[in-house]
Amino acid sequence: DAGVIQSPRHEVTEMGQEVTLRCKPISGHDYLFWYRQTMMRGLELLIYFNNNVPIDDSGMPEDRFSAKMPNASFSTLKIQPSEPRDSAVYFCASSDRTGTMNTEAFFGQGTRLTVV
Amino acid sequence: GNSVTQMEGPVTLSEEAFLTINCTYTATGYPSLFWYVQYPGEGLQLLLKATKADDKGSNKGFEATYRKETTSFHLEKGSVQVSDSAVYFCALSDKYGGATNKLIFGTGTLLAVQP
Repeated sequence: DAGVIQSPRHEVTEMGQEVTLRCKPISGHDYLFWYRQTMMRGLELLIYFNNNVPIDDSGMPEDRFSAKMPNASFSTLKIQPSEPRDSAVYFCASSDRTGTMNTEAFFGQGTRLTVV
Repeated sequence: GNSVTQMEGPVTLSEEAFLTINCTYTATGYPSLFWYVQYPGEGLQLLLKATKADDKGSNKGFEATYRKETTSFHLEKGSVQVSDSAVYFCALSDKYGGATNKLIFGTGTLLAVQP
């Protein structure tokens, strides 16, 4: 498996524009997570899905942020409109469970978003 | 709520020095504990894990023991190398309303190893 794949790797956009980040989880994983990493706040969980259903979106900062998972192999994180303070590295991760045991999360390489 | 606290960096060491990065946690129930490593420009990679009390996780010369009595999971390595320079994250898996793999991360500790 190629691992978690995120695109694009880098995105530079102007304030007010819509930004869409994409993620392909590892095949067979039924959990998908979106994290945001900044110097100030560290690594924050934005939202996660189980079997394509959003379970906890309490970390989504504002209504400008939305995430979807239309099928088991694809998820998007959208920011509309974008603002300079949204500049960060956004990570997608996926994981699985074996019985009652928590397995580790596998991370993509991230999307570095710069809003100017 | 559940949380992870790890020592602030940066930690600067000379090659072959002993490394300890402290991590303590607050959690209800019996979480699993993890150390992740992030090399420059890359995503996080699992370094090691422990799923129950007294378990020792180990990988690439790094070790951490799940201490329930002290709610700690300190990362250690006997002899660091320049290639170990990275950011290290302590994390726990949060059980919320049933089975979940939600991870809660510490703030990360930057390790810089000098030749």
